[in-house]
Amino acid sequence: QVQLQESGPGLVKPSQTLSLTCAVSGGSVSRGGYSWSWIRQPPGKGLEWIGYIYHTGITYYNPSLKSRVTISVDKSKNDFSLKLTSVTAADTAMYYCARYSIFGVGGWLDPWGQGTLITVSS
Amino acid sequence: DVQMTQSPSSLSASVGDRVTITCRASQSISSSLNWYQHKPGKAPKLLIYTASSLQSGVPSRFSGSGSGTDFTLTISSLQPEDFASYYCHQTYTTPWTFGQGTKVEVK
Repeated sequence: QVQLQESGPGLVKPSQTLSLTCAVSGGSVSRGGYSWSWIRQPPGKGLEWIGYIYHTGITYYNPSLKSRVTISVDKSKNDFSLKLTSVTAADTAMYYCARYSIFGVGGWLDPWGQGTLITVSS
Repeated sequence: DVQMTQSPSSLSASVGDRVTITCRASQSISSSLNWYQHKPGKAPKLLIYTASSLQSGVPSRFSGSGSGTDFTLTISSLQPEDFASYYCHQTYTTPWTFGQGTKVEVK
């Protein structure tokens, strides 16, 4: 079955760019019918959807983060990535990647990666 | 943005109890509502999609209902492995939004 695994630096300094990658195994990021998402959860807070990318490269970002976010897909590596610029302590969170199954008006996120904790601190 | 109000934020229950969690959307989201289970250190797990469809491999003690603005997740007989946090999630319109979560704890 499809499995996702996030990787990232763990610690990022304020004002720098956070870069994360989600490796996909057991399936292809090029397959239609799906998009690939990033979601985060700050400590003690709820889940926040960051954005998604289709295999075609079409993206959609949460307006709350849009000015700082870029999601890209690498078909040769079968992974997708998140870049978040100008990070602050408020970006400290567990970051998850997930596959979104498209179904009419709405779909669902499954599977998810286990998450990677990113701390923003000098 | 569609606001998802989930209640309760936490509950204490015993094995064998029937547990009900509700989620209310700030506008109609049709049936575009999913439920996830999340345990510390693990990947969130899809339980219910499109309001009432049981994800493959999920025990039948989990069920979902509702449409429009009001939704419910029910665990018919709580098992030890069900102590976790549960989140609702709407995908009717972007930005997708989640409920704030319900933590199910041992009574």
